Parts: sequence; C-alpha cells; structure tokens
Amino acid sequence: AQSVTQPDIHITVSEGASLELRCNYSYGATPYLFWYVQSPGQGLQLLLKYFSGDTLVQGIKGFEAEFKRSQSSFNLRKPSVHWSDAAEYFCAVGLYNQGGKLIFGQGTELSVKP
Amino acid sequence: DTEVTQTPKHLVMGMTNKKSLKCEQHMGHRAMYWYKQKAKKPPELMFVYSYEKLSINESVPSRFSPECPNSSLLNLHLHALQPEDSALYLCASSSAGSGNTIYFGEGSWLTVV
Repeated sequence: AQSVTQPDIHITVSEGASLELRCNYSYGATPYLFWYVQSPGQGLQLLLKYFSGDTLVQGIKGFEAEFKRSQSSFNLRKPSVHWSDAAEYFCAVGLYNQGGKLIFGQGTELSVKP
Repeated sequence: DTEVTQTPKHLVMGMTNKKSLKCEQHMGHRAMYWYKQKAKKPPELMFVYSYEKLSINESVPSRFSPECPNSSLLNLHLHALQPEDSALYLCASSSAGSGNTIYFGEGSWLTVV
C-alpha cells in the first residue's frame, strides 16, 4: 500500500541554522512527490515538486529537496531558516493512476528559536 | 497566479441546518477536489471531480453532497452534520490527469454546534 512517513513530528531550530525535514515514501511506481507548507489557520502552499529528471529540485522561499530512489526519500532542506518559516510541513506522493489523489505524511511542525 | 478561492472562510452551523461551501478557480483546471483536515492532522481526500463529473468519492457520508456546476466552480452542500464534522475544508484544483500539481485554497473553517 502507498504511504508517506515523516519521522519527525516536531523540530525546533535556531534562526539562521540549517534545516532538513525527512520524508520517506512507499509506492510501487515512479512517484510524483510534493512538499507543502501550512501556516496556522491557512491553506496549503506548494513549496516544490518532483516529477522526473534532476533529482535535486529547487522551490520557493529558498527550499530545496532531493529525491533518492534507493532510499525512497525526498528530504526537504534549507540552508538558513528564518522565523517566518515556522509552520507545518507536509510531504505528499501523487498516485499516478488514481486521478490526482495525494497521500500525505503526518506532517512536521517546525518551530524557530530567535 | 495560482489561486483557488473559498467562501466562506468561517461557518458555524447547527446540526439541523443546511449550508454550502463554495470554491472557485480561474486557472483553467479541469480537476477539482474537496479535502477535510482535522487539527494537527494531514488533509484527507473526500471527492474528486474531473471534467465536471464525480470521479472519486472516498466513502464520504451522504450528509456531504458535492456539486460541480461548471469547470470553475465546486460546491459542498452540508446537511444534518455532526459535531465531529467540524474541521477545515480545503478545496483544490489541478490540470486533469495524473502527475499534475494540485493547488489548494485557504480553506473554510466549519464548526458544527
């Protein structure tokens, strides 16, 4: 069965420090992978996506993610975190043959210390 | 710009009320979605419309009734809801077919009293 795992429920980093959020997926075919961010009381904003090609993808707000097929991972990174990055982050896999259905991970809540 | 607009942003309704949530997109997308999100949880798919036809219903109770009047609009009709239906309801859209990016609206916060 398809699934997405985000091992870290909550992460706290200092402002200016680097960030890595982990995401592992289970899916039989080549996955379509996404990272979304959700600020409190808001909808989901797309950070970046991977469909094919270069395994290092760049997104908005200085985020990047690397697809590693051998590890079934799609980890999100940012070299220097800003206080405004505090939010909930969701990794998701798009199911190829199910009309655009997304399977989400449980989310990682990011807190940023001044 | 990618924009999915949802109204109302907040809705409080009684268990005997009938209300509707509305969603609109002008990106030319032919697939539209309703997701439900409880606090501290990921969104859960409810319905998918593709080319104005219902293509996926994730075994949602009949007190939720979706409607897609045209390619830009998506409604969710609510009737006889329960307090446990209180949640954030997210509308989304994408180009039809697999492997396309899904864009979300800001959501409608529903409280059932």
